[in-house]
Amino acid sequence: GQSLEQPSEVTAVEGAIVQINCTYQTSGFYGLSWYQQHDGGAPTFLSYNALDGLEETGRFSSFLSRSDSYGYLLLQELQMKDSASYFCAVRDRTPLVFGKGTRLSVIA
Amino acid sequence: DGGITQSPKYLFRKEGQNVTLSCEQNLNHDAMYWYRQDPGQGLRLIYYSQIVNDFQKGDIAEGYSVSREKKESFPLTVTSAQKNPTAFYLCASSFDRGGGYGYTFGSGTRLTVV
Repeated sequence: GQSLEQPSEVTAVEGAIVQINCTYQTSGFYGLSWYQQHDGGAPTFLSYNALDGLEETGRFSSFLSRSDSYGYLLLQELQMKDSASYFCAVRDRTPLVFGKGTRLSVIA
Repeated sequence: DGGITQSPKYLFRKEGQNVTLSCEQNLNHDAMYWYRQDPGQGLRLIYYSQIVNDFQKGDIAEGYSVSREKKESFPLTVTSAQKNPTAFYLCASSFDRGGGYGYTFGSGTRLTVV
């Protein structure tokens, strides 16, 4: 089976940088993706990494190390609107398996 | 704009009642999925369908049923056999394009047993 571990909560200051880690165990692996979910809303796709390295999309970046079964989401220039839950998800031969999510609180 | 439409947004179910959650997409995606989310929890897979007239059970299929008669539609029925149905239900479809592989989600249906 698959399992993913990510911190349950993170707090960071507005304007700062925060990193949310995700480690995974899976029998097969095609890629790691990240989703953002605001309270009461639906998850929205942020990024997908199939290969090792850093992918940058605006203020958000995502990193993958396949040899370490590890990835992270990096959020820069934090804004209050970034307060949300962030989920990593693994793609193998089955539908996506999601982690339990990291609740990010951005404080002034 | 293309997307996934879930209805209703809120649904109240009485004990022993079956209810059906609607999910419609106009993205021309082949694969569709139903996930359940409980407060403070991740998403757990109920059912998925990779093609019309075919679907597979996910991790928590007991007490649920689905159909996939059209590519655009993937309704979920929560039966009376589901003993703890109160949750947030999310329908999704998958894409695979230059930016990577991922899901587009509907806005969800919040089901409450009364």
